[in-house]
Amino acid sequence: NAGVTQTPKFRVLKTGQSMTLLCAQDMNHEYMYWYRQDPGMGLRLIHYSVGEGTTAKGEVPDGYNVSRLKKQNFLLGLESAAPSQTSVYFCASSYLGSVNTGELFFGEGSRLTVL
Amino acid sequence: KQEVTQIPAALSVPEGENLVLNCSFTDSAIYNLQWFRQDPGKGLTSLLLIQSSQREQTSGRLNASLDKSSGRSTLYIAASQPGDSATYLCAVRTGTSYDKVIFGPGTSLSVIP
Repeated sequence: NAGVTQTPKFRVLKTGQSMTLLCAQDMNHEYMYWYRQDPGMGLRLIHYSVGEGTTAKGEVPDGYNVSRLKKQNFLLGLESAAPSQTSVYFCASSYLGSVNTGELFFGEGSRLTVL
Repeated sequence: KQEVTQIPAALSVPEGENLVLNCSFTDSAIYNLQWFRQDPGKGLTSLLLIQSSQREQTSGRLNASLDKSSGRSTLYIAASQPGDSATYLCAVRTGTSYDKVIFGPGTSLSVIP
């Protein structure tokens, strides 16, 4: 049982390049989230999804796009990377139901540097 | 809009001391509150989860309380150890359908041997 897996773990981009971060979970969770973490700022919600085919904006969505074509995968895309997007990105998932408690499970993070 | 704050931003204590970390949120309509630990350069480790109907949760030397009406949660660490040194973050599940999870900025804890 792998839980939440993020790929790649590290990436260096040049300004203007594009890339996609992949988050995969094997817990059959409905809810998935992308966060970014910058020094001294905790985690800020970028986009989230409450189910296959649905996405919604979080606190800091500008410059990012997401897709949830399959329930187990949540993709975060940067169409034209900027130095301000240098950060550590975390993916998380959870299940919310009458029995489950809505606990959030995290991946190990993806460190992105934009030069 | 839900906002989450944590006080203090940093804390340094001698080994063996009991300590309290604070988390406050502006909108009391939450589904649950979760405390995490993060070591430098690492991911997040879940410590405790409190449902909105609960008042507290305990795990070993950790005790988390929740006062939803006042928008506050505390994480109590008993008999602190150097291995407890880390950043502690709280997060609230909120939103119209409880679909968002918003984090506080964290408290950086240093336990001095």
